[in-house]
Amino acid sequence: GAVVSQHPSRVICKSGTSVKIECRSLDFQATTMFWYRQFPKQSLMLMATSNEGSKATYEQGVEKDKFLINHASLTLSTLTVTSAHPEDSSFYICSALNFLVGDTEAFFGQGTRLTVV
Amino acid sequence: AQSVTQLDSQVPVFEEAPVELRCNYSSSVSVYLFWYVQYPNQGLQLLLKYLSGSTLVKGINGFEAEFNKSQTSFHLRKPSVHISDTAEYFCAVSVANTGNQFYFGTGTSLTVIP
Repeated sequence: GAVVSQHPSRVICKSGTSVKIECRSLDFQATTMFWYRQFPKQSLMLMATSNEGSKATYEQGVEKDKFLINHASLTLSTLTVTSAHPEDSSFYICSALNFLVGDTEAFFGQGTRLTVV
Repeated sequence: AQSVTQLDSQVPVFEEAPVELRCNYSSSVSVYLFWYVQYPNQGLQLLLKYLSGSTLVKGINGFEAEFNKSQTSFHLRKPSVHISDTAEYFCAVSVANTGNQFYFGTGTSLTVIP
């Protein structure tokens, strides 16, 4: 299957700083990328959907000014957690698909464990 | 709107015993159905998917699932589990032909007991 690479896999940052997480599709062009957040022992909660070249669509309750998403190319989407606080500590996962070629499944990155201290 | 219900949050099972993880969904439109596995601190790996055609779908690691439209279910089964199957399992749906987001169930934690 297609490969989605997420970087970094783990990051620790100080409260008040910003953290950028990258999601890359390595061997395919991703027209659509999704960002999820997962709390311990819980399911994935969709944060936003981003289509290449357009603004991301955020789910209700997700602050778009805090979680900045950029999908500037067909192989890269970034999630920036701005002014991070301890409550932002979580596992963040991206997934990607190419709708134009008829992808029926989304391919997932390995996740990023963010710890804000 | 679509929703997914995984009825069992935790399933303990002895090694080499069969297991069934239940998943029910609701949708007013055609959907694709998926089962993913997640190992600790990792992303999701696709086990199998149902798009159309045969209702019995075989996936990796000896897992299979059966789509039952009348019962709106997509239960996951394995005839004989191994220790290495201990993980979190997620059922998911997406609306067919839309490239839309995936809706996940709350997950089932499978623990295989030696």
